Amino acid sequence: GIQVEQSPPDLILQEGANSTLRCNFSDSVNNLQWFHQNPWGQLINLFYIPSGTKQNGRLSATTVATERYSLLYISSSQTTDSGVYFCAVDGGRRALTFGSGTRLQVQP
Amino acid sequence: GAVVSQHPSWVICKSGTSVKIECRSLDFQATTMFWYRQFPKQSLMLMATSNEGSKATYEQGVEKDKFLINHASLTLSTLTVTSAHPEDSSFYICSASAAGSTDTQYFGPGTRLTVL
Repeated sequence: GIQVEQSPPDLILQEGANSTLRCNFSDSVNNLQWFHQNPWGQLINLFYIPSGTKQNGRLSATTVATERYSLLYISSSQTTDSGVYFCAVDGGRRALTFGSGTRLQVQP
Repeated sequence: GAVVSQHPSWVICKSGTSVKIECRSLDFQATTMFWYRQFPKQSLMLMATSNEGSKATYEQGVEKDKFLINHASLTLSTLTVTSAHPEDSSFYICSASAAGSTDTQYFGPGTRLTVL
């Protein structure tokens, strides 16, 4: 099946810093989503982005489908951004395959 | 819109008992729902695909007789963990996408199961 790799696995930032999270996938995809999992376990949809670039406030994402990677940018990070960020892809089964996640800690 | 609910949000049960978890799409119809499991500090792993009106499709290594899935309507899928054991303790999350769509999947808030 399709493989999804995320980097870095862990990231510690000072409040106000910017960061880039990366997601590599091994095959073409129909769907790619970025999620933020909060401390209670809820997955929050950040972006549906199988290709192209999108922005939502301090967050933006870019997927280059031909090169099989996606990037999530977080600007002016806040402590509330802490948590785990997952990239997940649909390689044609509709079900999502998740990466291992990036654990982000933003310190005040 | 596109809200998925799960009930219960957490459950503690004794070893050997069965537990039912409900997943509902509140404001859209979902012909397909998915069940995932997440162990502490790990990623989500797909357990099964639930299709309305037909049998679920289970991932390799997931026991279909232990994890019973019923998708009786376009808004409800249930997962029953039968004869639960401590190793079944986990965070169970469902997702759904709108009927006729291959777009965004929406996730429920999850159910934390602890088997004593």
